[in-house]
Amino acid sequence: EAGVTQFPSHSVIEKGQTVTLRCDPISGHDNLYWYRRVMGKEIKFLLHFVKESKQDESGMPNNRFLAERTGGTYSTLKVQPAELEDSGVYFCASSQGGLARFEQYFGPGTRLTVT
Amino acid sequence: AQSVSQHNHHVILSEAASLELGCNYSYGGTVNLFWYVQYPGQHLQLLLKYFSGDPLVKGIKGFEAEFIKSKFSFNLRKPSVQWSDTAEYFCAVNAKAAGNKLTFGGGTRVLVKP
Repeated sequence: EAGVTQFPSHSVIEKGQTVTLRCDPISGHDNLYWYRRVMGKEIKFLLHFVKESKQDESGMPNNRFLAERTGGTYSTLKVQPAELEDSGVYFCASSQGGLARFEQYFGPGTRLTVT
Repeated sequence: AQSVSQHNHHVILSEAASLELGCNYSYGGTVNLFWYVQYPGQHLQLLLKYFSGDPLVKGIKGFEAEFIKSKFSFNLRKPSVQWSDTAEYFCAVNAKAAGNKLTFGGGTRVLVKP
């Protein structure tokens, strides 16, 4: 079974540009999460999808971040325009429903560098 | 808001030494507790989890953790480490009243010298 995949693995962009990160969850996992780790800090929750619906977006830092999960499969996280403080590793995770919903499987992350 | 504290940022030890990593959380309600590990160049993997029942939880690769409710702690232990245990370890908490999201500690980098 394929795990959670993320694309790209690395992205280097200039301040003010736009970047779109993609996450493909494990097949059949209704729950999809985005997290971010800024260098030297803890991994922080950004948002949670259940299928195509945003269940919890309390961790989104500001309106420069837009997450979508059209069709309830893969998800994208767009940062527009990017700022220096957006640099970090963006992790995606997925989980099944029911009692297994708390057991999250993580992707390898996308390392974003804003210069 | 809930928070998770890992006491050590870096730990260096020799093979066969015992390992204990501290984790404390601040949340008074019911929690689910996790330890994740990230080996060099790999993604985060679940090491073990606690939902309910026996507070001593055994995970993969010889790791175990003990939930002490009165101390709000969930410390990770391994009696005898190997060089391959070199990794970053993360404690995470899910507050049942706060949906599915995980709150992570800052991570502990463990280096095991051969």
